[in-house]
Amino acid sequence: QSALTQPPSASGSPGLSVTISCTGTSSDIGGYNYVAWYQQHPGKAPKLIIYEVSKRPSGVPDRISGSKSGNTASLTVSGLQAEDEADYYCSSYAGRNSVRVFGGGTKLTVL
Amino acid sequence: QMEMQESGPGLVKPSETLSLTCTVSRESVSSRSYHWGWIRQPPGRGPEWIATIYYTGNTYYNPSLKSRLAISMDTSKNQFSLRLNSVTAADTAVYYCARHPSILSPFDPWGQGILVIVSS
Repeated sequence: QSALTQPPSASGSPGLSVTISCTGTSSDIGGYNYVAWYQQHPGKAPKLIIYEVSKRPSGVPDRISGSKSGNTASLTVSGLQAEDEADYYCSSYAGRNSVRVFGGGTKLTVL
Repeated sequence: QMEMQESGPGLVKPSETLSLTCTVSRESVSSRSYHWGWIRQPPGRGPEWIATIYYTGNTYYNPSLKSRLAISMDTSKNQFSLRLNSVTAADTAVYYCARHPSILSPFDPWGQGILVIVSS
């Protein structure tokens, strides 16, 4: 069982938006602004798309955004495209002993 | 562009030791700028952080795996390695090596991963 809780699935039509939640505790998401999100296509390694809650690495489009409130982080994908269909994982720093924890993943389907 | 490549056996018998190596290209594992880590992902499940090492020798282990784990670094070969002993079927996963600037930072990038199956 993963440390962070995500819905197993989400879906949206092309051009619309979808938001994926990630719930942790005050020991991870709620305690630090070091939430990250990854996108993973089948058979590939996870790719970093959000770090430090809302920052985007170079090359990640601005239609992908992140936020946090309390112990819950969120990822929003706007203007859905077919290429956005993938698994999405959240991750958070969780202190020097646990370092990083991950969510169980959300499968995003573009209808 | 830095690259990382995992290597090791794809099949390990229960109770034996899993040993993996990550070879890094176009970046030094002795760099003060980065930590180096291992993450695994069981089939159909989310990733799990395993361990992290810094060039100073500082190591960080997942508490749930710590008693079975060792992470090490060979700067002469620009590699770092993982040993996980007393494996069971629950250790079957794709194992990734990855880089992160600090223990606060997320892993980026990741290697392509290596599937390790624990089975007799």
